[in-house]
Amino acid sequence: GESVGLHLPTLSVQEGDNSIINCAYSNSASDYFIWYKQESGKGPQFIIDIRSNMDKRQGQRVTVLLNKTVKHLSLQIAATQPGDSAVYFCAENREYGNKLVFGAGTILRVKS
Amino acid sequence: EAGVAQSPRYKIIEKRQSVAFWCNPISGHATLYWYQQILGQGPKLLIQFQNNGVVDDSQLPKDRFSAERLKGVDSTLKIQPAKLEDSAVYLCASSRGSGKGYTFGSGTRLTVV
Repeated sequence: GESVGLHLPTLSVQEGDNSIINCAYSNSASDYFIWYKQESGKGPQFIIDIRSNMDKRQGQRVTVLLNKTVKHLSLQIAATQPGDSAVYFCAENREYGNKLVFGAGTILRVKS
Repeated sequence: EAGVAQSPRYKIIEKRQSVAFWCNPISGHATLYWYQQILGQGPKLLIQFQNNGVVDDSQLPKDRFSAERLKGVDSTLKIQPAKLEDSAVYLCASSRGSGKGYTFGSGTRLTVV
């Protein structure tokens, strides 16, 4: 069935390096995508979002890229810090009514 | 602004018992969501309210789960009777309903033994 999925379940990076977390989605009708960060014992925290009429959006140290041709989403974190260690989820918005569908998540581990 | 408040933070019950979770959304947020997050998975939507009306409860196991949002503000989610597979974190989120601006609470971790 349709789903939002992630290519890599765990990503380990050295502090200071750039991180790239990938996500594949299957519903071409989705028009809004969000990246969330979830630390242990906490709820998902909004990082950055992008609408389907854009292919790139930048925030503070983070960039989201959207490739609608191959239905692929990525989150780039510049100069990764230990505080970036968490589980990262992509989510897509399907249908009218603001229903978010989440992927399984990628664990990001930052080595000092 | 204050965040989404949830209680309790943790709950351990035996199977076949009942349990209730409470959520207080951000003031002014018309839309409220309950998600179930099983360990190692992404959150899965159980039910969505718009004010005090249900918008989507297609993935709510209605034989054992129920939810209400009285007066369009606070919400409670109940499980009766609980099964082992209900062990999960139950997350509440709210939004203005514009397609963005979701805010999640810290969740209630339920363990059914």
